[in-house]
Formats: sequence, structure tokens, C-alpha cells
Amino acid sequence: NAGVTQTPKFRVLKTGQSMTLLCAQDMNHEYMYWYRQDPGMGLRLIHYSVGEGTTAKGEVPDGYNVSRLKKQNFLLGLESAAPSQTSVYFCASSFQGYGYTFGSGTRLTVV
Amino acid sequence: AQSVTQPDIHITVSEGASLELRCNYSYGATPYLFWYVQSPGQGLQLLLKYFSGDTLVQGIKGFEAEFKRSQSSFNLRKPSVHWSDAAEYFCAVGAWVDSSYKLIFGSGTRLLVRP
Repeated sequence: NAGVTQTPKFRVLKTGQSMTLLCAQDMNHEYMYWYRQDPGMGLRLIHYSVGEGTTAKGEVPDGYNVSRLKKQNFLLGLESAAPSQTSVYFCASSFQGYGYTFGSGTRLTVV
Repeated sequence: AQSVTQPDIHITVSEGASLELRCNYSYGATPYLFWYVQSPGQGLQLLLKYFSGDTLVQGIKGFEAEFKRSQSSFNLRKPSVHWSDAAEYFCAVGAWVDSSYKLIFGSGTRLLVRP
């Protein structure tokens, strides 16, 4: 009964380093999403996917890339981390886009 | 453009008092509406959702929300707040954008509960 699992839960990066955040869901959901959460700004959509092998840009895609090679996994990559990418990142999945299930988040600090 | 406004950044209520959190949305079609709650350091948990039908929807933890199309609102209510309700609350609208369905979130309302 895992739902949506995000790894890692915490990470500190130096400016310019790269990393990949992994999101895995076991509910056979087609839709998957990556959001970032910043104080006073709610959740903003970074990228999303409507099925295996598909990705699309959301509201704030710059500086991020994603891949959905397998239906159950949605990866978020930072090629060259910047302090402005310090945030809490949430992954979500949904069945046909209606009800979302969220992961517990990844807290990323870029120094 | 689709948007969600939560006009109250913070709200403080006394334990046992009633609560209403405001949410207004902008969306051209019939909206799908959601309320989520986030406890500190946690992910988002769905409280309730409205797709169609009865405009008063019941959710978990004793919460309810009323959809008012004429006011473009979906306010969250609870008759008696408990200390454990202290959290941040997010309203969201489900919208079809660029042939894909997405949730668009408000900026959140932080609820503080006074003993």
C-alpha cells in the first residue's frame, strides 16, 4: 500500500551540481506530475506526463528535465542546480487526471 | 486563465470555534474542485472534492465545502475546530489546459488553533 514514493527525502547540493529525484507509484496511474512548493506561492507545476514515454512542460519548467521511461516512474532532473531551486518538491499521480495522490516530498537545498 | 485565490494567508481560531476558509476560482467550464491539507513536513492529503451533483460536499475529519457557482467559490468549513486541525490548507481547481488535465493550486491558508 505504498502509493507514491519519493526518493530522496532530503538533499543538499552545491551550486552547479546535478541530481535526479525519483518518483514511483504502484497504482497503475497514467498521469504523473512534479510540483515545487515555495512559501506563499502554493504548488507550482514543473512538468507532467500523461503516459509512459510522454512528458510536457508545466508552469515553471526552466532548469528541470523529466523522463517517464516506465509507467510507474517519473524522474525529475536538475542538470546544474541553482540556489533558486531550493524548494520542496512533490510528485503526484492520478487516474485519468482527476484525484491526485501525493508523495511525501523531497526537501532540496542548493548552497 | 485558470486561477485559484485564497485571500487569507493566515487564520487563527480558538479550539472549539467554527472555521471557514475562503477559496475563489477562475475557470471557464464546470470546475472540479478540491481541498487539500498539509501538516508540517508532510505531503498533501485530500480532504474533499467536488465534481458534480450536490453542491455541499462532505469530507474527512469533519470538514465540508460548498460550491457556489454564482460566486465562483468553494469555501471550506468545520463547525468545531480541534487543535490537530492546525495545518496549511490548499484549494485547487482541476482544469483542462493544452489537452491535459492539471490541478491548479491556490497559495494556501495557514490555520493556527488557539488553545
